[in-house]
Amino acid sequence: ILNVEQSPQSLHVQEGDSTNFTCSFPSSNFYALHWYRWETAKSPEALFVMTLNGDEKKKGRISATLNTKEGYSYLYIKGSQPEDSATYLCAFPPGTDSWGKLQFGAGTQVVVTP
Amino acid sequence: DGGITQSPKYLFRKEGQNVTLSCEQNLNHDAMYWYRQDPGQGLRLIYYSQIVNDFQKGDIAEGYSVSREKKESFPLTVTSAQKNPTAFYLCASSISKGEQYFGPGTRLTVT
Repeated sequence: ILNVEQSPQSLHVQEGDSTNFTCSFPSSNFYALHWYRWETAKSPEALFVMTLNGDEKKKGRISATLNTKEGYSYLYIKGSQPEDSATYLCAFPPGTDSWGKLQFGAGTQVVVTP
Repeated sequence: DGGITQSPKYLFRKEGQNVTLSCEQNLNHDAMYWYRQDPGQGLRLIYYSQIVNDFQKGDIAEGYSVSREKKESFPLTVTSAQKNPTAFYLCASSISKGEQYFGPGTRLTVT
């Protein structure tokens, strides 16, 4: 089982502040990196699937960057709002032939307080 | 209204009984997945299927079985051989290698 690590485990953010957190993954045999948002009482929802080194993706106030050479991805939330409160998961398939076999990190829980 | 449905939302069983969790999708996705979540851990893959009539073991397949007879359906059976079956189970689907779409989950309690 490959090791996908997320840090920090949890974050408390004031409304309006920006924040970021990390997903680390093995850099060898990289294929893709997935980011998901999981709100309480809802299903996990895909944010991004990133494949290229240096890639940057954006969805509203949330953006992500990818460094495949050093094995990390950052997720940024700009101007946090209470509705951004969720657990953010990253996931990594071990290779092209195993693209369906996602290894998930334990997640970063973000709590945005008004 | 396309999506993934899982039923039931809560399921209670006695130890030693097999139980089948339902997962249905109408998104026309080829690939389907079963995950398990335990407190403090990430999602762990139980089984996945990339195409009808074919499936592969994930990281924690022991004590579970699946079938994929139809594109829309991927039921998971938790057998009596699974030592710690109490958990939250999530089903997902995807178009080949893309993002996964998740169902609402089934919380299984075995006593």
